[in-house]
Amino acid sequence: AQSVSQHNHHVILSEAASLELGCNYSYGGTVNLFWYVQYPGQHLQLLLKYFSGDPLVKGIKGFEAEFIKSKFSFNLRKPSVQWSDTAEYFCAVNAWNNDMRFGAGTRLTVKP
Amino acid sequence: DAGVTQSPTHLIKTRGQQVTLRCSPISGHKSVSWYQQVLGQGPQFIFQYYEKEERGRGNFPDRFSARQFPNYSSELNVNALLLGDSALYLCASSLAPTSGSYNEQFFGPGTRLTVL
Repeated sequence: AQSVSQHNHHVILSEAASLELGCNYSYGGTVNLFWYVQYPGQHLQLLLKYFSGDPLVKGIKGFEAEFIKSKFSFNLRKPSVQWSDTAEYFCAVNAWNNDMRFGAGTRLTVKP
Repeated sequence: DAGVTQSPTHLIKTRGQQVTLRCSPISGHKSVSWYQQVLGQGPQFIFQYYEKEERGRGNFPDRFSARQFPNYSSELNVNALLLGDSALYLCASSLAPTSGSYNEQFFGPGTRLTVL
């Protein structure tokens, strides 16, 4: 069964700093990849997704992620974070069996 | 348009009791999935239903069951509650099953279940 690892449990950045959150998955077949965000007091929202094609995908609010198949990775990036990006970020993988696997999440705190 | 709705918002039960959680998908969505999110962890997949049929099941005991109705709403039932069942239960809807397709899931706000 597939699994997802998020390397950072808690990341603290100052505004305007660059962000990269790591995500690795284990599954040998075709997968769909997602990043979700959960702002304080709100429900999970989709940031971006990869199904096929260009491995560099762009999402909402200036986020992007790169799928590197050889490394089984799907890292999330943002060139310049804002205080409003403070949230919990989840990487997720969906394979053939409708079983969506989520990572444990990375809590991002952006200091103003 | 209304998003995914879940009821109740909060629920407190005691060990051994049974609970039913409800979910209404986005209009036009025919697939519903259920997740359990324990504090400090990511959501764990429980079930996916499409057109009233189970299309996926996670690694949960038989105490967990679900069903989907003709109007595509869904219920999650948990019997013989344990303390460890305390969690946020999330429902997500999509147009169709999520495997190998371009369907994304939209999540509801969740039901917070506390088992005492």
